[in-house]
Amino acid sequence: SQTIHQWPATLVQPVGSPLSLECTVEGTSNPNLYWYRQAAGRGLQLLFYSVGIGQISSEVPQNLSASRPQDRQFILSSKKLLLSDSGFYLCASSTNYGYTFGSGTRLTVV
Amino acid sequence: AQKVTQAQTEISVVEKEDVTLDCVYETRDTTYYLFWYKQPPSGELVFLIRRNSFDEQNEISGRYSWNFQKSTSSFNFTITASQVVDSAVYFCALRAPFGNEKLTFGTGTRLTIIP
Repeated sequence: SQTIHQWPATLVQPVGSPLSLECTVEGTSNPNLYWYRQAAGRGLQLLFYSVGIGQISSEVPQNLSASRPQDRQFILSSKKLLLSDSGFYLCASSTNYGYTFGSGTRLTVV
Repeated sequence: AQKVTQAQTEISVVEKEDVTLDCVYETRDTTYYLFWYKQPPSGELVFLIRRNSFDEQNEISGRYSWNFQKSTSSFNFTITASQVVDSAVYFCALRAPFGNEKLTFGTGTRLTIIP
């Protein structure tokens, strides 16, 4: 079965600072990978997805970027964080049956 | 375009009562998958069920049951004899069977079970 490792669990960053969230997947190869964001009290919004190494699709224009340097590694980045980037970030991997989600990173931009 | 609507933002019931969470979806695909996830306060998403659009049989798993009505594009979730541990945010989601397989989520229903 798949396992997704996501870190850090919580992060407090000042406005204008850079961001790097990492997600790694175990138990599968060539997965589709996703970054979702959940703003406080709201639903899950798809930010990026990747169907392979170096292949990134963006769902919404924003201050963030994503990269997939290895098959089972997915990174979410920002050069300068905004207050509106605060939220709960979830990495996910899709399987034939459904999705496996990481435990999430709670980002607070201050 | 795909869309999932969970009109109930918050629901509170007293423990042991039954509760139904509504989910209505929109899609142009003839084949698709529907999901329910539970998000406890810790934040992780817990998979509850996947339903293929070809399978309209209702499903029961312990105190949980799901009613899939393709004619009304609904996939409702019922918890029988609710317990405090059922308190969480519940998300309904829709996925096309091919392509990038991305999930489209509803906005979630926050369920509070009052002891």
